[in-house]
Amino acid sequence: GQQVMQIPQYQHVQEGEDFTTYCNSSTTLSNIQWYKQRPGGHPVFLIQLVKSGEVKKQKRLTFQFGEAKKNSSLHITATQTTDVGTYFCAEGGLIIQGAQKLVFGQGTRLTINP
Amino acid sequence: DAGVIQSPRHEVTEMGQEVTLRCKPISGHDYLFWYRQTMMRGLELLIYFNNNVPIDDSGMPEDRFSAKMPNASFSTLKIQPSEPRDSAVYFCASSGGQGLRNTIYFGEGSWLTVV
Repeated sequence: GQQVMQIPQYQHVQEGEDFTTYCNSSTTLSNIQWYKQRPGGHPVFLIQLVKSGEVKKQKRLTFQFGEAKKNSSLHITATQTTDVGTYFCAEGGLIIQGAQKLVFGQGTRLTINP
Repeated sequence: DAGVIQSPRHEVTEMGQEVTLRCKPISGHDYLFWYRQTMMRGLELLIYFNNNVPIDDSGMPEDRFSAKMPNASFSTLKIQPSEPRDSAVYFCASSGGQGLRNTIYFGEGSWLTVV
């Protein structure tokens, strides 16, 4: 099946610095979703990208889907301590009957020095 | 609205014992997923159901694992006999309904330790 590789595995930043995590695939993705998991918590859906070259923003978070739909990125501007957690990308196969089998990347664990 | 509800939240059991994890999906969702999360292997999809019917169980590690969904509001994941390597966080998740149908909503997880 398809696999998504996520880098970096870990990232430690000073509060206020920017942060970016990347998700790469060797094959074209139909769509990609991003989730955040706080320490001790459960993954929570952030956003879905479907179109080639799509860019979406949520406050300080910017999500991009590559033109070839083989990569995606999540960029956080001016990190805050509330951004601590692990960020996962998840690639979904064809949407059949309204749902799909998501395959998650390994995640990028973000820690922040206040 | 209540989210996905899992029980127990934490379980410590001895090797060889049977473990049963329970899940109540979000009302109206017609897909239910069981995931396992470990440091080594990340988030792995074990099995998922559509309208109570198992669709894909290729992620179930071995015969010691079984999952059922007797009705739209209840599912179980059973491990018998349990082994220390089964120690992990087990997440139940559901999707469907009126919103983004392929967005997955996770429960808070069942933290399993097998000693």
